[in-house]
Amino acid sequence: DTGVSQDPRHKITKRGQNVTFRCDPISEHNRLYWYRQTLGQGPEFLTYFQNEAQLEKSRLLSDRFSAERPKGSFSTLEIQRTEQGDSAMYLCASSPQGVETQYFGPGTRLLVL
Amino acid sequence: QKEVEQNSGPLSVPEGAIASLNCTYSDRGSQSFFWYRQYSGKSPELIMSIYSNGDKEDGRFTAQLNKASQYVSLLIRDSQPSDSATYLCAVNMGSGGSNYKLTFGKGTLLTVNP
Repeated sequence: DTGVSQDPRHKITKRGQNVTFRCDPISEHNRLYWYRQTLGQGPEFLTYFQNEAQLEKSRLLSDRFSAERPKGSFSTLEIQRTEQGDSAMYLCASSPQGVETQYFGPGTRLLVL
Repeated sequence: QKEVEQNSGPLSVPEGAIASLNCTYSDRGSQSFFWYRQYSGKSPELIMSIYSNGDKEDGRFTAQLNKASQYVSLLIRDSQPSDSATYLCAVNMGSGGSNYKLTFGKGTLLTVNP
């Protein structure tokens, strides 16, 4: 059990650019979650997958955000036309079938200049 | 709007003391509650989960749940400087069997002074 991994760990980009983050969940965890955390706040739910199906999206996830989990294993989160307000820590978590406890990866810290 | 409220702190306690962290939540139907610890610049790390009214102990940590009062707390006994971190309360407010998203409070910053 190697834990949830995320790549990259840090990303600096210019406003208007597209960025993509990857999350590899704990092996055999069929549920995968994306959260966003800004300074001084708790993580905020963005979206959730059960296997390859995206079951829920937060209204925080504007049209510029898209997430995929094509084979039910790793997931990607893409942000198009980044804005300075997108600067945050993007956290991925996973959990196994029937278990509510979520285990977080190290996060990807995004800075939009 | 479903909410989780925590005192932001900072809460400062001397080494060896008991630290008490509190959390209230708005959704009376919530069933699952979690405490995470987050060191500065790091991701949340699970400390405890609690599902039933009463106390649950794990080492120096005790979680307490009172669903009637919509209140959950975390006690840290024999606090150590290494316990200095932000403690996040998280609640599963999902209404369906397949909804496991967590709603987090803003966290309480705990400082343990040597």
